Amino acid sequence: NAGVMQNPRHLVRRRGQEARLRCSPMKGHSHVYWYRQLPEEGLKFMVYLQKENIIDESGMPKERFSAEFPKEGPSILRIQQVVRGDSAAYFCASSLGRQETQYFGPGTRLLVL
Amino acid sequence: DAKTTQPPSMDCAEGRAANLPCNHSTISGNEYVYWYRQIHSQGPQYIIHGLKNNETNEMASLIITEDRKSSTLILPHATLRDTAVYYCIVRVPNQGGKLIFGQGTELSVKP
Repeated sequence: NAGVMQNPRHLVRRRGQEARLRCSPMKGHSHVYWYRQLPEEGLKFMVYLQKENIIDESGMPKERFSAEFPKEGPSILRIQQVVRGDSAAYFCASSLGRQETQYFGPGTRLLVL
Repeated sequence: DAKTTQPPSMDCAEGRAANLPCNHSTISGNEYVYWYRQIHSQGPQYIIHGLKNNETNEMASLIITEDRKSSTLILPHATLRDTAVYYCIVRVPNQGGKLIFGQGTELSVKP
């Protein structure tokens, strides 16, 4: 069984550009979560999605950040007009159900120049 | 929120058992205790979880006290590859599926 897949693994953007991070959940999982880890800091929850629906976005910054999980295809975390403070590791996790165990992907390291 | 308290760091000799403690004195009756680890900035890896009874799998054992206010993760024969930050997490009920990570315990396994 393939695990959670994320791409790209590394992404470099200049200030003002857009960043798109993709997450393919484990087979059969319809619940996806995004977490962010800033340099030298802990993991912070951002958003929780279930196919085509945002369930909890309490950890998402109010501006420039959006997430989707369409009926077909991977979940996308989109960051518009990136700033240097967006540089971080972004991890995606998936689960079978709302309270089921979450399994994490390898992450995308975003560097904003 | 049910919060957890872990020592910031621990050392363990290779081949010996690593016992990682976690306090969760405000845990509710329906909350599970989960353990994850993160090896050098890789994605967090699920280890084990439990509610009341002790649990064991191929990676580790989880011992939960009878009052459920604390637990211990046991790696029976630690190897150098077990060097990582270990997170003890209590699942918060009625707040969706999110995991709330604390600072964890940085375990260093030494030869």
